[in-house]
Amino acid sequence: EPEVTQTPSHQVTQMGQEVILRCVPISNHLYFYWYRQILGQKVEFLVSFYNNEISEKSEIFDDQFSVERPDGSNFTLKIRSTKLEDSAMYFCATETSGFPTDTQYFGPGTRLTVL
Amino acid sequence: QKEVEQNSGPLSVPEGAIASLNCTYSDRGSQSLFWYRQYSGKSPELIMSIYSNGDKEDGRFTAQLNKASQYVSLLIRDSQPSDSATYLCAVKPTGTASKLTFGTGTRLQVTL
Repeated sequence: EPEVTQTPSHQVTQMGQEVILRCVPISNHLYFYWYRQILGQKVEFLVSFYNNEISEKSEIFDDQFSVERPDGSNFTLKIRSTKLEDSAMYFCATETSGFPTDTQYFGPGTRLTVL
Repeated sequence: QKEVEQNSGPLSVPEGAIASLNCTYSDRGSQSLFWYRQYSGKSPELIMSIYSNGDKEDGRFTAQLNKASQYVSLLIRDSQPSDSATYLCAVKPTGTASKLTFGTGTRLQVTL
């Protein structure tokens, strides 16, 4: 069964450093999302991406964040200058098109620890 | 502010019993509702989706949706220790390319 994959599984970085989180979507999926979950809190939407453009972004997704699909397969989330409060699990989710199959499938996540 | 509310629990049920999980949501628009299961330190795993009023059954799981009351529930029959997890209710406008809004989740403990 196809699944979303994410790398790395765990990233430790120093405050102020740049990190890139990678996701490989399910092959026929066209809509891509990033969510994050701070320990003990709920899953929060960051950004959605379709046709090489951001469709929607949350208040969390400020100028320090960017997304791109550099090679037609990977979908990346970049945090330019990490802060302590960026420590969280980051989940990529992908979705195919067409009602009622508007279901999002989540990757295993990347645990980001900012020291 | 669109909200999804769940009782955080823990909800403790004995093995073999029925677990009943509830969720209310505030947005009256056309919504798709989803139940995800999340084990500690893992990603959300889809259990059920429901789009229309009424019941939807899948194995030991039954989702019940009442759009007028903005209420969705998940019943787990014959609960097993492996069902012990946090159950997340999520809502999105029906159709593609829309974000999921999650509740805080209900922690379920199935005891032997």
